[in-house]
Amino acid sequence: KAGVTQTPRYLIKTRGQQVTLSCSPISGHRSVSWYQQTPGQGLQFLFEYFSETQRNKGNFPGRFSGRQFSNSRSEMNVSTLELGDSALYLCASSLGTPGYEQYFGPGTRLTVT
Amino acid sequence: ELKVEQNPLFLSMQEGKNYTIYCNYSTTSDRLYWYRQDPGKSLESLFVLLSNGAVKQEGRLMASLDTKARLSTLHITAAVHDLSATYFCAVVNTNAGKSTFGDGTTLTVKP
Repeated sequence: KAGVTQTPRYLIKTRGQQVTLSCSPISGHRSVSWYQQTPGQGLQFLFEYFSETQRNKGNFPGRFSGRQFSNSRSEMNVSTLELGDSALYLCASSLGTPGYEQYFGPGTRLTVT
Repeated sequence: ELKVEQNPLFLSMQEGKNYTIYCNYSTTSDRLYWYRQDPGKSLESLFVLLSNGAVKQEGRLMASLDTKARLSTLHITAAVHDLSATYFCAVVNTNAGKSTFGDGTTLTVKP
């Protein structure tokens, strides 16, 4: 079956703009988690959505938000972009049940200039 | 706050040799993952370890979990060049429900 897809794969934005990233999970998976990966901070958890509800949240400012639709597709939005938001944004989908395995998408590389 | 410490962060080894990567974590967890990441690529799930004493093996890689010591190991047997990658462990804080990743171990296997 098809894997996790993320769009767009690459994005260049200017400081102060906002951006929306999209993630389509594996069919049947109800949980989508988002992560930010940077050379300095490593992999950091942003949030997790399960059945359209945010179930868990990491330590990121309110400029980072997300949502999940009834078909489990998820979007994350970053408003008022800062240079430090340049990163690889990864989403991972899973069944969401205990002991679940996460499957990661290819990521969206965001560059803020 | 859950902290995850991996060591070493960089590992250069020769083909055919054995080595172990360590993952220590600070608070109780009932789930630990190992991932592999190739340069410029996403993360590939290697192992999910769910209980104390769990051991899983795939090819030249073997992962184990000791929840009492809050320690997981990823053992590499007779390394080959194809194993060159960055390996991450991630620990799930059951109460918070979020994954905390280690800093990763970049493994380079030389002929």
